[in-house]
Amino acid sequence: EAEVAQSPRYKITEKSQAVAFWCDPISGHATLYWYRQILGQGPELLVQFQDESVVDDSQLPKDRFSAERLKGVDSTLKIQPAELGDSAMYLCASSRGHKDSTKAFFGQGTRLTVV
Amino acid sequence: KQEVTQIPAALSVPEGENLVLNCSFTDSAIYNLQWFRQDPGKGLTSLLLIQSSQREQTSGRLNASLDKSSGRSTLYIAASQPGDSATYLCAVGAQKLVFGQGTRLTINP
Repeated sequence: EAEVAQSPRYKITEKSQAVAFWCDPISGHATLYWYRQILGQGPELLVQFQDESVVDDSQLPKDRFSAERLKGVDSTLKIQPAELGDSAMYLCASSRGHKDSTKAFFGQGTRLTVV
Repeated sequence: KQEVTQIPAALSVPEGENLVLNCSFTDSAIYNLQWFRQDPGKGLTSLLLIQSSQREQTSGRLNASLDKSSGRSTLYIAASQPGDSATYLCAVGAQKLVFGQGTRLTINP
């Protein structure tokens, strides 16, 4: 069964360092999402791509976060510089992107700890 | 702005019981509602998706209902098992999902 792949699974980084996460969505899924989940809370959308275009990045802290999906397939989320408050689970999800079939499939996430 | 609330935050029941998890949302103009399961330290697994034109969906021992007029959804789990222990999240939206905080469910053997 096709899955959303994320790497790394775990990342520990020092405050002020740069960190990057990678996501490979399910083949054929036009829509890709990055969510952030703080421990004990529900995920919150950071950025949504339709193919290679950003559809929604209203909650992305653009002073330190950036995301790209250059060829409309895999995606990278970068944080520079990392802050202690960035410690969270970063989840990637994908969907076909059609209104009538918007079931989202999530990856296993990257657990980031900033020390 | 859509807000999603799940009550209770945590629930502990003995094995074999039937149980109901609740989800409420503030904006009834939703498109879809999904229920997810999340095991500790893992990603989300989609359990059920209810489109706005539907009232319920069933999968095995799980049944989810949707009442848009009252802004509520329930997830019914029949004959609970220890393997059902996890956090259950509901989310609403067409493509962008707005999540509740989740209900942490523990099934005691």
